[in-house]
Amino acid sequence: GAVVSQHPSWVICKSGTSVKIECRSLDFQATTMFWYRQFPKQSLMLMATSNEGSKATYEQGVEKDKFLINHASLTLSTLTVTSAHPEDSSFYICSASTGIFHINGYTFGSGTRLTVV
Amino acid sequence: AQKITQTQPGMFVQEKEAVTLDCTYDTSDPSYGLFWYKQPSSGEMIFLIYQGSYDQQNATEGRYSLNFQKARKSANLVISASQLGDSAMYFCAMREGTFGNEKLTFGTGTRLTIIP
Repeated sequence: GAVVSQHPSWVICKSGTSVKIECRSLDFQATTMFWYRQFPKQSLMLMATSNEGSKATYEQGVEKDKFLINHASLTLSTLTVTSAHPEDSSFYICSASTGIFHINGYTFGSGTRLTVV
Repeated sequence: AQKITQTQPGMFVQEKEAVTLDCTYDTSDPSYGLFWYKQPSSGEMIFLIYQGSYDQQNATEGRYSLNFQKARKSANLVISASQLGDSAMYFCAMREGTFGNEKLTFGTGTRLTIIP
């Protein structure tokens, strides 16, 4: 089945540094990639949606200059948390869409737990 | 306004009993999709079941079934013969939009605990 590889699975970084999270679709082409953020014991909050070759569409309240999303190819999307601060500590998870709507067309990465110290 | 509402933050169910997790949704799109995912403590999102807005029959996948009541805008998940391994967070989600312009949003989740 469709697999999305997300790396790293966890990362600890110092405040003020940038962290890049990668999501790669291994055996299919991801037309759309969703990036979510999940605080402990809370739901997945959609941060942004990106289509290959286009600028990402950010949800209200998400700083696009802080959370840089690049979807340069149909198999790779990256999220860069720039100048990270402790309040950015969270679980980040990507989801790739194949664009097939009559079935479950979404595959999730395994998530990245970011801790900013 | 909430697009997806899950009113049960937590549920405790005896092993082998059936359990229903509630989900209501709000959309003006005629074409949409409804999903249920299971999230164990490891954080991965496990797909359980899907229902398309035009599907005539309720979806079933093994022990999982989706009670789809379109007029009431509800899509409850039914788990039959619950097992200890079913203990996890359960999220209802809805897809709206069209190819290249879609959005997948989640409810607040229900934490299900199965009691031996």
